[in-house]
Amino acid sequence: DSGVTQTPKHLITATGQRVTLRCSPRSGDLSVYWYQQSLDQGLQFLIQYYNGEERAKGNILERFSAQQFPDLHSELNLSSLELGDSALYFCASQPGGHTGELFFGEGSRLTVL
Amino acid sequence: DQQVKQNSPSLSVQEGRISILNCDYTNSMFDYFLWYKKYPAEGPTFLISISSIKDKNEDGRFTVFLNKSAKHLSLHIVPSQPGDSAVYFCAASAAGNTPLVFGKGTRLSVIA
Repeated sequence: DSGVTQTPKHLITATGQRVTLRCSPRSGDLSVYWYQQSLDQGLQFLIQYYNGEERAKGNILERFSAQQFPDLHSELNLSSLELGDSALYFCASQPGGHTGELFFGEGSRLTVL
Repeated sequence: DQQVKQNSPSLSVQEGRISILNCDYTNSMFDYFLWYKKYPAEGPTFLISISSIKDKNEDGRFTVFLNKSAKHLSLHIVPSQPGDSAVYFCAASAAGNTPLVFGKGTRLSVIA
């Protein structure tokens, strides 16, 4: 158990819909990362937050947005969903803002039909 | 443009033998490298790392080798055990606290 909690574990929805994925980092970890893993792809970095502020942005679509709340949990919002958005979405946390070992949640599997 | 490449999607090894997983990178700014292991229905878990100031790092059965001039690193598992069967991801980061860049992973199967 990494200590990072992601909900929901599985989600099935239709094209055009909007979903919210939630992540609770390890106790005390200030940094939260979101990664997307599509079929046969590696983990693609989406966005990083550190203590409530956006720290870095990767290949995140404009239809996607995220935030980190004062209690340090984070939400990833995916809107106008397309079939290609079907993927595993991982959240990871880290004690500080420094690159190093990340602690990953079990992921949220999104299926868009 | 893939900055971290794992060219072998899968690898099969007999129990007790050595497993060698390879990883190549293109970004010369990368200075910290990590290997993660992932079992089905679980998130990736950290396995071992190496800084660019070293060329080898060992942790029990796991050793990572870094060849900076070739922009290549490898993970050696000796001896391989059935429980090592998983997907292994290579990851790298550059100085300045940049997010980790991952390869596509190599699926290792250790056969008893």
